[in-house]
Amino acid sequence: RKEVEQDPGPFNVPEGATVAFNCTYSNSASQSFFWYRQDCRKEPKLLMSVYSSGNEDGRFTAQLNRASQYISLLIRDSKLSDSATYLCVVNEGNDMRFGAGTRLTVKP
Amino acid sequence: NAGVTQTPKFQVLKTGQSMTLQCAQDMNHNSMYWYRQDPGMGLRLIYYSASEGTTDKGEVPNGYNVSRLNKREFSLRLESAAPSQTSVYFCASRIFGTENNQPQHFGDGTRLSIL
Repeated sequence: RKEVEQDPGPFNVPEGATVAFNCTYSNSASQSFFWYRQDCRKEPKLLMSVYSSGNEDGRFTAQLNRASQYISLLIRDSKLSDSATYLCVVNEGNDMRFGAGTRLTVKP
Repeated sequence: NAGVTQTPKFQVLKTGQSMTLQCAQDMNHNSMYWYRQDPGMGLRLIYYSASEGTTDKGEVPNGYNVSRLNKREFSLRLESAAPSQTSVYFCASRIFGTENNQPQHFGDGTRLSIL
């Protein structure tokens, strides 16, 4: 079993749609969680950290469920510019484990 | 702000050649990392350096060596390049502490092809 698993997609949604991604992790001792965005052939960029209480940044909402060992990312009112691959990242000490990513395409 | 700078951005090698990928950060981060990313796969950790003077193996260290030259610089060396090492290589850095797990910041990547 992979340590960090994501649905690879692709998710193809129209502009304005709401889309949600889930990510599961295997190590219950994992300490910190992040969502990154990666555009084609570019470096990953931090989208948001994921806090235990859940957190929101504009159209983006991240949630953590430690009991079930998953994190989620919700994108509301999708924009064309949201098209990218979204990477789930789980921190274990000084090691960061990446999911393979979920590809999102937002269409006009 | 430069952030994390990687050189070169592109490189083509022949099998058996050696080369060093350079990475430098100007954010005073203590931890630095080298990853490779292959098509359709997530980033896989090659080596990391928790602090100046220390290095540790990651998930896929075979065929690579690293040097943490100082706090700013962390280099990755391929002694005898193989076609299986064709990939995009990313360097990252962050502040790591027992109670403060900050996210990583990435360089632009080095696209390496081995023929």
